[in-house]
Amino acid sequence: GQQLNQSPQSMFIQEGEDVSMNCTSSSIFNTWLWYKQDPGEGPVLLIALYKAGELTSNGRLTAQFGITRKDSFLNISASIPSDVGIYFCAGLVGGATNKLIFGTGTLLAVQP
Amino acid sequence: DTAVSQTPKYLVTQMGNDKSIKCEQNLGHDTMYWYKQDSKKFLKIMFSYNNKELIINETVPNRFSPKSPDKAHLNLHINSLELGDSAVYFCASSHNPRRYTEAFFGQGTRLTVV
Repeated sequence: GQQLNQSPQSMFIQEGEDVSMNCTSSSIFNTWLWYKQDPGEGPVLLIALYKAGELTSNGRLTAQFGITRKDSFLNISASIPSDVGIYFCAGLVGGATNKLIFGTGTLLAVQP
Repeated sequence: DTAVSQTPKYLVTQMGNDKSIKCEQNLGHDTMYWYKQDSKKFLKIMFSYNNKELIINETVPNRFSPKSPDKAHLNLHINSLELGDSAVYFCASSHNPRRYTEAFFGQGTRLTVV
């Protein structure tokens, strides 16, 4: 079945540092999404990407939809302690059901 | 007001028992979902209902049975619980299947089978 691999698995950084993470797939997706999950909470949508090559920002977050449509990147600039959490990429399988396939997640820890 | 609410938040039960998790959304959405997050934090869709009709049914043991009495509710009933069912179960909703990007997730139900 389709799988999305995220890297790195985890990151431990100092406050103020920039962060990059990526997501790769063996299949093509037409939509890429990035979610953040805080401890004890459900995932919350951060950014949605709809076109190959698209670059979208949401505050300190920037995400890109890879040209091959098999990958996506998320960058966080000037990290702060509340950025801590698990970041998931997700690819949307189109059609009538629009099923989301989630990546393996990247755990981010930010030291003040 | 909580948009997508699940109950209970925590559930500890013995193997072999039958249990239910309830989900309600007050967003007026047509589509609701159940996801399972395992101990490695991997999220996988289990079921999706649109206007009370089942539209996604992944390869899930038939011990799991979703029930949607109306489009604001999607409950998950699990029979004969097994140790491997221990996970966090998330309910989510969206306007309709084609507007999945606006899906809202509940806080999750942590199920522990002992």
